[in-house]
Amino acid sequence: QKEVEQNSGPLSVPEGAIASLNCTYSDRVSQSFFWYRQYSGKSPELIMSIYSNGDKEDGRFTAQLNKASQYVSLLIRDSQPSDSATYLCAVKFTYNQGGKLIFGQGTELSVKP
Amino acid sequence: DVKVTQSSRYLVKRTGEKVFLECVQDMDHENMFWYRQDPGLGLRLIYFSYDVKMKEKGDIPEGYSVSREKKERFSLILESASTNQTSMYLCASTVRGWNEQYFGPGTRLTVT
Repeated sequence: QKEVEQNSGPLSVPEGAIASLNCTYSDRVSQSFFWYRQYSGKSPELIMSIYSNGDKEDGRFTAQLNKASQYVSLLIRDSQPSDSATYLCAVKFTYNQGGKLIFGQGTELSVKP
Repeated sequence: DVKVTQSSRYLVKRTGEKVFLECVQDMDHENMFWYRQDPGLGLRLIYFSYDVKMKEKGDIPEGYSVSREKKERFSLILESASTNQTSMYLCASTVRGWNEQYFGPGTRLTVT
């Protein structure tokens, strides 16, 4: 079983809609959770981090964490074509030393005008 | 803003050559990482370092070595490049005790 799993997509949403990206992880005892955005041919860019259960909002982005169910999600409100990218979920497990993160395979998001 | 730079955006090397990829960060971060990213395989950790002269193997260290002589610089070395090392190489850094990793722009390496 992979430690961090994401649906590879592509997820297609119309412009202005809410895009919902999901990530599940294998270990109940995990510390930190991150969402990265990666445009084609570019490097990952950190867009959200979340450390405790509940919601965390930053502009059009909301990260949701449920440690009991072992999932973290990213909601993008009012999706724009410029949001089209691959979104990577990353988890810092307690047993990983040195700040090591485990990344999911990423979900490709396509926002149609 | 965190700044992580990599020595080259694109690199073409021949099989058997020794290849050096350099990464520099300007935020006094203790931890630095080297990944490769391939379609369908995601990000895979090659090596990481949590201090000067310290290194730890990641998930796929075979065929690679690293050097960290100064805190701000982390080098990835391909001792004898092979075609299966054609990939996007990404460097990242983070402050000790925090886990947000910041990535450099990447080096797309082609080995022919």
